[in-house]
Amino acid sequence: ETGVTQSPTHLIKTRGQQVTLRCSSQSGHNTVSWYQQALGQGPQFIFQYYREEENGRGNFPPRFSGLQFPNYSSELNVNALELDDSALYLCASRPTSGRPETQYFGPGTRLLVL
Amino acid sequence: GESVGLHLPTLSVQEGDNSIINCAYSNSASDYFIWYKQESGKGPQFIIDIRSNMDKRQGQRVTVLLNKTVKHLSLQIAATQPGDSAVYFCAEFSAGDNNNDMRFGAGTRLTVKP
Repeated sequence: ETGVTQSPTHLIKTRGQQVTLRCSSQSGHNTVSWYQQALGQGPQFIFQYYREEENGRGNFPPRFSGLQFPNYSSELNVNALELDDSALYLCASRPTSGRPETQYFGPGTRLLVL
Repeated sequence: GESVGLHLPTLSVQEGDNSIINCAYSNSASDYFIWYKQESGKGPQFIIDIRSNMDKRQGQRVTVLLNKTVKHLSLQIAATQPGDSAVYFCAEFSAGDNNNDMRFGAGTRLTVKP
């Protein structure tokens, strides 16, 4: 396995609520990216964190935010949930010296917004 | 906007045959092209990558071909096995992209018939 874990595996929320998804990376992996994968589509880049700072962001609104902690864990927070936020959320991590294309993905959290 | 996409959404092959999965891209500034495999319930798994200054790269049973003239990428899997059944994504990355955005295509579902 990849050594990247995510929790919870599944989650159901209602529109307007807030959600926090968690990711635990391998030791030494201080770069983590989050992706949204809608059903039947490829992952879409949300943002990347490096040393607890956001250092890249895709085309997602500010209600998508993140945190990264010194213990190689990270969070994705989504406020004011919308129906279209229903998707698989993936985190991927790599060491700083690692090439971006060899990042290790977790199994994802499947979020359903009703 | 620039994008990465795939020609075919599904591909069915007989066990032992060779598989070819195609991908078109539009960002001529891409530095890396990557193929990922995603099995059900798992995150994408790195298969092979190729730099933009190469036109062919081989791995174990897999070969990636890059044609920059027509902006086309392909993944060839030799002697396809049932374990190769999955969704395959191409992705591209630009080292000069300040957003650190890795862009994925929509995916091709490969089914291997015994």
